[in-house]
Amino acid sequence: LAKTTQPISMDSYEGQEVNITCSHNNIATNDYITWYQQFPSQGPRFIIQGYKTKVTNEVASLFIPADRKSSTLSLPRVSLSDTAVYYCLVGDVGYGGSQGNLIFGKGTKLSVKP
Amino acid sequence: GAGVSQSPRYKVTKRGQDVALRCDPISGHVSLYWYRQALGQGPEFLTYFNYEAQQDKSGLPNDRFSAERPEGSISTLTIQRTEQRDSAMYRCASSLVSGDEQFFGPGTRLTVL
Repeated sequence: LAKTTQPISMDSYEGQEVNITCSHNNIATNDYITWYQQFPSQGPRFIIQGYKTKVTNEVASLFIPADRKSSTLSLPRVSLSDTAVYYCLVGDVGYGGSQGNLIFGKGTKLSVKP
Repeated sequence: GAGVSQSPRYKVTKRGQDVALRCDPISGHVSLYWYRQALGQGPEFLTYFNYEAQQDKSGLPNDRFSAERPEGSISTLTIQRTEQRDSAMYRCASSLVSGDEQFFGPGTRLTVL
């Protein structure tokens, strides 16, 4: 299974754009890149998933370069409520994927200040 | 139901006792997962089911841990002869099908004294 590396923590201010980069050098052909968000005392929540290029939804954007060895989660205009831990996961976990379990690392703790 | 539910939310037990943690997934979800999360760490996979069949139990730490989902809906994670190192947050998740987006429950905080 592909291992991911992401910063332990990041600080930002309200209204700024935040970019969290994740490295996954040994990503496999069938692997998708998925990001989850976890607030204190809650379970993780799916944010976004992608395979290549760019994916955007109402919450975030995910940028994946052609070699797919890294990915960047972009959160536009963060607010205090975006303070959370963000996990980058790699695996064959897209719809119809064969991998059932999610492999979480330690994640990136994002702190948004006023 | 509206989301994944777990019970009890908190469980305090003495070392050596058995505990059973319950998970009620989102209605219609085929896949159900169990994770364990220590403070400051990401969730650690334990086991998962498709319907009533246990697909992968490679994450169960030892034979004191077992899980079942006899009717393909509610699941129970059982820990026998609990030890202090078993203290953690135990989280359940479900997805429509295997590999799809997982929805997590609120967790059960287990404390073994």
